[in-house]
Amino acid sequence: AQKVTQAQTEISVVEKEDVTLDCVYETRDTTYYLFWYKQPPSGELVFLIRRNSFDEQNEISGRYSWNFQKSTSSFNFTITASQVVDSAVYFCALSTIQGAQKLVFGQGTRLTINP
Amino acid sequence: DTEVTQTPKHLVMGMTNKKSLKCEQHMGHRAMYWYKQKAKKPPELMFVYSYEKLSINESVPSRFSPECPNSSLLNLHLHALQPEDSALYLCASSSTSGSWYEQYFGPGTRLTVT
Repeated sequence: AQKVTQAQTEISVVEKEDVTLDCVYETRDTTYYLFWYKQPPSGELVFLIRRNSFDEQNEISGRYSWNFQKSTSSFNFTITASQVVDSAVYFCALSTIQGAQKLVFGQGTRLTINP
Repeated sequence: DTEVTQTPKHLVMGMTNKKSLKCEQHMGHRAMYWYKQKAKKPPELMFVYSYEKLSINESVPSRFSPECPNSSLLNLHLHALQPEDSALYLCASSSTSGSWYEQYFGPGTRLTVT
């Protein structure tokens, strides 16, 4: 069975601080995909990134960066120089090649950036 | 264009009403999804349509009836709902080619059952 754990329920930081959201996953499949989604108060889930299990390269996109480590089954997300607009709930999710249409979500981390 | 649209944005209905939620995408995706999301919880998968055929039903009560009239449209028909069905209903779509199945979500319909 697949499982995603986001241990941080809520995080609150002051604007311009760096913040890391943790994601730990469990799966017995050797081929799987990891995702991060952002859900602002408006409700829409916004796709941020996907990563497949064979690609352990870290990725940077502007102020966002992702650190994928198979050895620790983690796929952490860092926001550098946070801004108020980054306030949202962030979900980490997993799917496998066997159940590619089923996303297993973590419980989400509510991030609040205070001015 | 990665837009999925949903109507209505808000819906209030009584337990004896019949209503429908609508979802549309023009990304050429052949998989479409319905999710239910309660407050402070992650989305829960309800249904998946692949090439306009129902491929996954996560044991959803029959008072929810999905329909996929064509590759761009997805409906969710609601009948005799219960107050506990009040939630945010999200539609999503994804490609079915290759192995990349990131799903693109719409803004959701906030449903209140009175």
